[in-house]
Amino acid sequence: AQTVTQSQPEMSVQEAETVTLSCTYDTSESDYYLFWYKQPPSRQMILVIRQEAYKQQNATENRFSVNFQKAAKSFSLKISDSQLGDAAMYFCAYRSAVSGANSKLTFGKGITLSVRP
Amino acid sequence: DTGVSQDPRHKITKRGQNVTFRCDPISEHNRLYWYRQTLGQGPEFLTYFQNEAQLEKSRLLSDRFSAERPKGSFSTLEIQRTEQGDSAMYLCASSQGQKSAEAFFGQGTRLTVV
Repeated sequence: AQTVTQSQPEMSVQEAETVTLSCTYDTSESDYYLFWYKQPPSRQMILVIRQEAYKQQNATENRFSVNFQKAAKSFSLKISDSQLGDAAMYFCAYRSAVSGANSKLTFGKGITLSVRP
Repeated sequence: DTGVSQDPRHKITKRGQNVTFRCDPISEHNRLYWYRQTLGQGPEFLTYFQNEAQLEKSRLLSDRFSAERPKGSFSTLEIQRTEQGDSAMYLCASSQGQKSAEAFFGQGTRLTVV
């Protein structure tokens, strides 16, 4: 079974600064997808960024980028130029790409990010 | 389309009562998922539908839980004889096509069992 570990429960960043959220995972599969989801307080979860395991290039989406280290099974999220609206809970998630496996997401426990004005 | 819709948003029930939640996915999405999220934890997978077929159920889904997706459209999740341990946020998500596709989440139903 796959597991996702987010060992930092909370982080804080100054507005306009950069912050990195850590995530490690464990799997015996070679093909999979990794995601970072954002869950603002009392609001629905939204996708921030995704990474296909077969791609060596790290994904980027505007101010958000990942550092994907497949051998180390590490998948960190970097938020540049942090904004007050980035304050939320962030979840790292894994999805198998194996044929026949269902497409459920396996989530980490999440990290609460606060942004200081 | 306004996204994934869940109803009700909040439900308070007495222990032992039955409750039913509804999820309306994005209309063209064939995959539908239910997750449970307790305070301070990430969502945990409960069950998965592809169209109207329930293809997988987690061991978390005890016999008191049942889910349906008639006609492959909306889905319902029923909990019978609720227990205090059932108190959680129940999230529904839907997606379409490839496994790389984004899963869209609803705002969830927060259940409190008193």
